[in-house]
Amino acid sequence: AQKITQTQPGMFVQEKEAVTLDCTYDTSDPSYGLFWYKQPSSGEMIFLIYQGSYDQQNATEGRYSLNFQKARKSANLVISASQLGDSAMYFCAMREGDGNDMRFGAGTRLTVKP
Amino acid sequence: DAGVTQSPTHLIKTRGQHVTLRCSPISGHKSVSWYQQVLGQGPQFIFQYYEKEERGRGNFPDRFSARQFPNYSSELNVNALLLGDSALYLCASSLVGDRVSYEQYFGPGTRLTVT
Repeated sequence: AQKITQTQPGMFVQEKEAVTLDCTYDTSDPSYGLFWYKQPSSGEMIFLIYQGSYDQQNATEGRYSLNFQKARKSANLVISASQLGDSAMYFCAMREGDGNDMRFGAGTRLTVKP
Repeated sequence: DAGVTQSPTHLIKTRGQHVTLRCSPISGHKSVSWYQQVLGQGPQFIFQYYEKEERGRGNFPDRFSARQFPNYSSELNVNALLLGDSALYLCASSLVGDRVSYEQYFGPGTRLTVT
């Protein structure tokens, strides 16, 4: 069963605008962690932000924030003030309980227009 | 500080051959995970090693094996290569590997092409 779902294969945003990338997840484990990674064309996965299932507040890291809605099992990434360098693939991922593996979604390709 | 390093960068093999991919974690990191990323898809978990023991295995055939050495570097071995093994193989290291919250740092990957 698909654990992580990213329904937007591609997204466009104007430079300096904000954009939201969607992610929903499925788990019955009360303890889990949610991650967002950026993958430029070079291939390397770059960690952006983390949200724990027990965290009371939404995570923020600079221009990145995570809109965590636990009841809806969604963990959307918000990028504020988009820059041309934000153009890349973005992956949502989840780690459950024992922490042995990380499941990734199919990704969203973000293109920032000048 | 050096990040996660992987070798080789690119590799071309023929069906039926064997391949060994190598990964050196960030200094001080004791956990290494391997992922396969087929073109157009998200990474798929293959193995996790923590303190030189296998701690997790994804849904991959027995042709895939791995090990972690005393210096915490790791090798991924794939036997009897199939065309479908063509992918980017990513290695990630972390300080720990036994809870949900640890951050993984990825290497640049090894691009394997099977012809």
